[in-house]
Amino acid sequence: EIQLQQSGPELVKPGASVKVSCKASGYSFTDYNMYWVKQSHGKSLEWIGYIDPYNGGTSYNQKFKGKATLTVDKSSSTAFMHLNSLTSEDSAVYYCARGGNSGEGAYWGQGTLVTVSA
Amino acid sequence: QIVLTQSPAIMSASPGEKVTMTCSASSSVSYMHWYQQKSGTSPKRWIYDTSKLASGVPARFSGSGSGTSYSLTISSMEAEDAATYYCQQWSSNPPTFGAGTKLELK
Repeated sequence: EIQLQQSGPELVKPGASVKVSCKASGYSFTDYNMYWVKQSHGKSLEWIGYIDPYNGGTSYNQKFKGKATLTVDKSSSTAFMHLNSLTSEDSAVYYCARGGNSGEGAYWGQGTLVTVSA
Repeated sequence: QIVLTQSPAIMSASPGEKVTMTCSASSSVSYMHWYQQKSGTSPKRWIYDTSKLASGVPARFSGSGSGTSYSLTISSMEAEDAATYYCQQWSSNPPTFGAGTKLELK
């Protein structure tokens, strides 16, 4: 069974940074891109970017360049997203999703709630 | 970036009723993906490559379309279908999602 297990909720102060993890199991980690998606409360979905776990190559939505940094640890089949200089606008649920063959998010993690508050 | 406009934003349907929701793209796309999301849970791949049903999706669902106009149809509404449905394209960077259609049970 393919699973993506994300790290728990985070409460962080404005200006701080946070690192969200996504541990993959049930498939070959390096065979599929890992996407990251933002969902603000009650809102739609925004694609942040993706990483190719095989070679660490990344692609970002221009909107999130400088905000998000995607990395992986192949030894533990875990993808990470680092968010810096957090503001209230960054408060949201963040999802990792394993890529499908046509650019769709085939499997999704349970989401990580990041709350930015003093 | 390509803007996806979903309509209606909210709709309700009675059990057994046929349901159709649409996704209009600001520029032509090669295919469309659809996700189902229920309150408090993560999105699920529902329909991909315009018309392919994801594993476990009931056959009463179907997807169609081309160019700038795509749709998701439920042939006969069931209670478990109440959810928000999002369309998504990746024919052009960055991938974008529609604002969603919230389907309620009447």
